[in-house]
Amino acid sequence: DAKTTQPNSMESNEEEPVHLPCNHSTISGTDYIHWYRQLPSQGPEYVIHGLTSNVNNRMASLAIAEDRKSSTLILHRATLRDAAVYYCILRAQGGSEKLVFGKGTKLTVNP
Amino acid sequence: DSGVTQTPKHLITATGQRVTLRCSPRSGDLSVYWYQQSLDQGLQFLIQYYNGEERAKGNILERFSAQQFPDLHSELNLSSLELGDSALYFCASSVGPGHLIYGYTFGSGTRLTVV
Repeated sequence: DAKTTQPNSMESNEEEPVHLPCNHSTISGTDYIHWYRQLPSQGPEYVIHGLTSNVNNRMASLAIAEDRKSSTLILHRATLRDAAVYYCILRAQGGSEKLVFGKGTKLTVNP
Repeated sequence: DSGVTQTPKHLITATGQRVTLRCSPRSGDLSVYWYQQSLDQGLQFLIQYYNGEERAKGNILERFSAQQFPDLHSELNLSSLELGDSALYFCASSVGPGHLIYGYTFGSGTRLTVV
């Protein structure tokens, strides 16, 4: 599976937008970009995924670079409940079905 | 409630003992995955079952085993427990192979403490 690189930690203020970056320079054409988050003392939670186009859902937006070598998870207005570890994961068509978690980005939201 | 049910939520046991963790997948999901999360290791994949059959294995110790039953619930058996087995154990479920557009659903985990 192709590798992703994320900052270890980021900090944001409540009600401000947050942009969480992910680099995946070795991504292949059929790799989907998935984002999960893990709130304290809870299991990981699916956030969003995309292939080539930007995506929006009720939780977040995913902006994918034109060359697909990087992506950004956007939380439009951070709340205290968004404080979590965010994981960027690539999933390949025909590849391993398991999710491989890296260290992710720990997001701290300040009141 | 994510739809994936894990029991028990907490388990405290002594070294050398054996425990069974149980997972009921989300309705309609055929694949079940087990993960271990300890403080220093992050989320580590242990094993996957699909429709009753073992499909993939990760770094699962020989002292650990799992199975998926006809009703699709899964059990993770941990034996000859050591202090280092203390961790959070998560179960996740998904529709099945090839469904890359669907996310995985995780349970809230079982916290195992070995004393």
